[in-house]
Amino acid sequence: AQSVAQPEDQVNVAEGNPLTVKCTYSVSGNPYLFWYVQYPNRGLQFLLKYITGDNLVKGSYGFEAEFNKSQTSFHLKKPSALVSDSALYFCAVSSNTGKLIFGQGTTLQVKP
Amino acid sequence: DTGVSQNPRHKITKRGQNVTFRCDPISEHNRLYWYRQTLGQGPEFLTYFQNEAQLEKSRLLSDRFSAERPKGSFSTLEIQRTEQGDSAMYLCASSFGGGYEKLFFGSGTQLSVL
Repeated sequence: AQSVAQPEDQVNVAEGNPLTVKCTYSVSGNPYLFWYVQYPNRGLQFLLKYITGDNLVKGSYGFEAEFNKSQTSFHLKKPSALVSDSALYFCAVSSNTGKLIFGQGTTLQVKP
Repeated sequence: DTGVSQNPRHKITKRGQNVTFRCDPISEHNRLYWYRQTLGQGPEFLTYFQNEAQLEKSRLLSDRFSAERPKGSFSTLEIQRTEQGDSAMYLCASSFGGGYEKLFFGSGTQLSVL
């Protein structure tokens, strides 16, 4: 069965510092991986996806993610965090039907 | 592109009552998904449609839950004989094309069963 794990419930970083939100996956076959963000009282928004190709994927709002097949990871990164990046982040894996299996989420707190 | 619209935004009901939620996807999107999210958890897949055909249902979806998408446009999710455990945020999402495309989510319907 396909699954993703987000080992950290919360990540705290200072504004201007780099941030990493971790995700590991378990799939049979090729992984199709996604990151979504959820701001308070708003729907989930797509950030980026990895289907194939370059292991470093660039997405919205300056975020990027690195696909690592040997470590079965897909960590979300940003070189310089903003206070406005504070939100709930979800990693997800997709089957070829498009059904997304989400992790439990990681709350990112960026402090001024 | 007006986004995915869900109604109502909030629903409070008494245990045992039936409730129905509506989702209007982005107009050209052929796929529509329903998810359920509880506090502190990621969204859980419930079911999805390609056009009007319901192609997959989660084992989470008991017989009290039914979803329809007549004419491949809007969708409804009905819960019969609600239970307190049904209290959650119900999310709808839509996409165009195959299984690797990003999903566009609505703001959800928050259900509270008293």
